[in-house]
Amino acid sequence: DVQLVESGGGLVKPGGSLRLSCAVSGLRFTTAWMNWVRQAPGKGLEWVGRIKSNNDGGTTDYAASVKGRFTIRRDDSSNTLYLEMNSLKVEDTAVYYCCTLTVVTLNDNWGQGTRVIVSP
Amino acid sequence: SSALTQPLSVSVSPGQTASIPCSGENLGKKYTCWYAQKPGQSPFLIIYQDNKRPSGIPERYSGSISGNTATLTISGAQAMDEADYYCQAWDNSAALFGGGTKLTVL
Repeated sequence: DVQLVESGGGLVKPGGSLRLSCAVSGLRFTTAWMNWVRQAPGKGLEWVGRIKSNNDGGTTDYAASVKGRFTIRRDDSSNTLYLEMNSLKVEDTAVYYCCTLTVVTLNDNWGQGTRVIVSP
Repeated sequence: SSALTQPLSVSVSPGQTASIPCSGENLGKKYTCWYAQKPGQSPFLIIYQDNKRPSGIPERYSGSISGNTATLTISGAQAMDEADYYCQAWDNSAALFGGGTKLTVL
């Protein structure tokens, strides 16, 4: 079975930093393009960013709302995805999901999410 | 990036057909996915490539595209279909999500 397990969420003050992790098993992580998607309380889904496989360049793309503050990294040796969040704002409060998203070929898997609260 | 627009809510009587539209610039030139999300759960894929269903998704779920509007149709809606539904497409290496539609079956 495919499993994506996020961790690292918590309470942080505005301007602070946090690193989320996503442990992946049951799929070929080294070839997977991985995403972070977030959902603010009572709101819809918002794509945060994506990292391609290292074989495809390992490049990253980000939503405008987080570009320059968030960094996505991957460690293929441990099948782990990371989201490094800096200069956090109150509006970054959300549940953060690690996922593979279908682009063309079906490949869709989601974690259970980890909650981040940014509050004074 | 362009936005994807969905109605905030749709209501349907049990056994009837619900349609949820999603419109966006040049959506007809992209593949649309649809996700369902129930309270307290992660989203899950119900339609990809505009009209394909992953295994395990009931046949009453279907997707279509006309021009720049994608539509999710739920035929013979059941109480268990109550959920938030999101359309999603890729635009210039960024994933776009619609704002979500709350489906009420009553």
